Amino acid sequence: AQSVAQPEDQVNVAEGNPLTVKCTYSVSGNPYLFWYVQYPNRGLQFLLKYITGDNLVKGSYGFEAEFNKSQTSFHLKKPSALVSDSALYFCAVRDPNSGYALNFGKGTSLLVTP
Amino acid sequence: DAGVIQSPRHEVTEMGQEVTLRCKPISGHDYLFWYRQTMMRGLELLIYFNNNVPIDDSGMPEDRFSAKMPNASFSTLKIQPSEPRDSAVYFCASRRRDLTNTEAFFGQGTRLTVV
Repeated sequence: AQSVAQPEDQVNVAEGNPLTVKCTYSVSGNPYLFWYVQYPNRGLQFLLKYITGDNLVKGSYGFEAEFNKSQTSFHLKKPSALVSDSALYFCAVRDPNSGYALNFGKGTSLLVTP
Repeated sequence: DAGVIQSPRHEVTEMGQEVTLRCKPISGHDYLFWYRQTMMRGLELLIYFNNNVPIDDSGMPEDRFSAKMPNASFSTLKIQPSEPRDSAVYFCASRRRDLTNTEAFFGQGTRLTVV
């Protein structure tokens, strides 16, 4: 079985401050990990992914995420938040040994205040 | 490419009516996924296809739900009869079969309201 947890329903951060959105996963094999962002009334947009290689992956809009195998985590980070980063963020995992679909976390609402 | 196209964007229907949601995946993509998003349950995978063949439909909640993919450029998700608890945003996504496991691209979604 595979699952992904986002322990925070909401994260609040002031503009210009660093932000972190947490994600932990549980899969039987080596995971493929993804972050997506959803703006109001829109579909999900891909931000970044970890498949293999360097544990620190960089994605769109200045976001990055670090794969930590020992802690089974894949936290999303950005050094300096923008008000326009306010959105719903989803972590997703795929176990390559058990199908081709992504299993999504419940999402974390990020609010960046001016 | 125009991306994944879903129609309609909004659907309001009465309980008991049949509802059909439509999806056109990105050209050349081999996989197509249907997801449902609700506040309570988040994003749930309903079914996915590979080369027009249903691979995993274990997420389809009931026999009232059915999905088809008659060709590589079109898929439907049908609910018959619809119930108020089916109200949700339904997303279609597609991806290419690729050794590097490319990401899935999502449509804008169909917001279904069953009254």
